[in-house]
Amino acid sequence: DQQVKQNSPSLSVQEGRISILNCDYTNSMFDYFLWYKKYPAEGPTFLISISSIKDKNEDGRFTVFLNKSAKHLSLHIVPSQPGDSAVYFCAAFGNEKLTFGTGTRLTIIP
Amino acid sequence: EAGVVQSPRYKIIEKKQPVAFWCNPISGHNTLYWYRQNLGQGPELLIRYENEEAVDDSQLPKDRFSAERLKGVDSTLKIQPAELGDSAVYLCASSGGPWEQYFGPGTRLTVT
Repeated sequence: DQQVKQNSPSLSVQEGRISILNCDYTNSMFDYFLWYKKYPAEGPTFLISISSIKDKNEDGRFTVFLNKSAKHLSLHIVPSQPGDSAVYFCAAFGNEKLTFGTGTRLTIIP
Repeated sequence: EAGVVQSPRYKIIEKKQPVAFWCNPISGHNTLYWYRQNLGQGPELLIRYENEEAVDDSQLPKDRFSAERLKGVDSTLKIQPAELGDSAVYLCASSGGPWEQYFGPGTRLTVT
């Protein structure tokens, strides 16, 4: 039972444009959502998070939006840069544990 | 500040052999996690420690996997005997709070 889903395994975006990564979840008891970024041969690195009581959190070029009624969150990266090329994992915190999605590989085209 | 340290980074063993992974968390972090990440998947929790106590080991295959965290700092994850399906990246993470976890680089295990 996949409680956190990232339905797009890959995404390619032109440098300077907006990257939008999507994530859906099924468990309404999750109370915190996070995005992690992973480069090859490295562990995931925390990027940005949002509490379930918020609908938006912004940090520089990164903004996370949460739509609780749709059980959907998205990560926006503006403008996209070549160094943003990585695998992005959505994760949800609930019941004292993190549940991860399967990841989306983002490729920024120069 | 030093990050989470794991060793070895890579390990190749034959099936039925034992293997052990070591993790040193970020100083001051009381919570330590071991995850397994299969190819094309997200990390999946194996065990969570609060100091020395394993507070969630419900996903740890206890017939062949064991873990310990002596003195509430370093931790070791062991597999004995290893099976082909154990090939994966084993990640250690630590946190000082409930949800912001810091990951080590992982150990890539290949069982042949």
